[in-house]
Amino acid sequence: AQSVSQHNHHVILSEAASLELGCNYSYGGTVNLFWYVQYPGQHLQLLLKYFSGDPLVKGIKGFEAEFIKSKFSFNLRKPSVQWSDTAEYFCAASLMDSSYKLIFGSGTRLLVRP
Amino acid sequence: ETGVTQTPRHLVMGMTNKKSLKCEQHLGHNAMYWYKQSAKKPLELMFVYSLEERVENNSVPSRFSPECPNSSHLFLHLHTLQPEDSALYLCASSEHAWGAGSYEQYFGPGTRLTVT
Repeated sequence: AQSVSQHNHHVILSEAASLELGCNYSYGGTVNLFWYVQYPGQHLQLLLKYFSGDPLVKGIKGFEAEFIKSKFSFNLRKPSVQWSDTAEYFCAASLMDSSYKLIFGSGTRLLVRP
Repeated sequence: ETGVTQTPRHLVMGMTNKKSLKCEQHLGHNAMYWYKQSAKKPLELMFVYSLEERVENNSVPSRFSPECPNSSHLFLHLHTLQPEDSALYLCASSEHAWGAGSYEQYFGPGTRLTVT
């Protein structure tokens, strides 16, 4: 079955530390990949997305993600986190031929200590 | 109002009650979605509507009944729910359900449902 795995359920970092959140998907076909973020008390919002082209994708607020097809991975990175990055992060994927079917990972809760 | 709005934000209901959740999108989109977010589980897609036509029913029990009267409004009618149905119910919309314009889904704040 198609699935998205996020290996870190909880991550705690100090401000200015570097962040990498893992995401792996199990799809055989061409995929669209997404990272969504949910700040405390706010809506889910799109951080960045990958459809095709350059596998290194840059999103809002200094986040980036790299699509590595051979590893079925789409890890999220930020070189220096801030307290305001405290949130829950969700990786999601959809197949090109059924693009509305977003399959989400279980999420990673990030706590950034000031 | 902008984006996707949902009402009510919180709902407590008994197992014999009937209630409805409402979603409205102000983005001019043609596709709308219901998701269920339970604690410690991934978001689950429940229903998808494209141009008011249901295109996906992801094996959802019949005690959940969606309605899409127009492309801006989506309802989820609830009846005889079970305690395990307690969750956050999220509505989303996208420009289209397929192809270009389908990729980015915009989410509402959700309705926190508690079934007692």
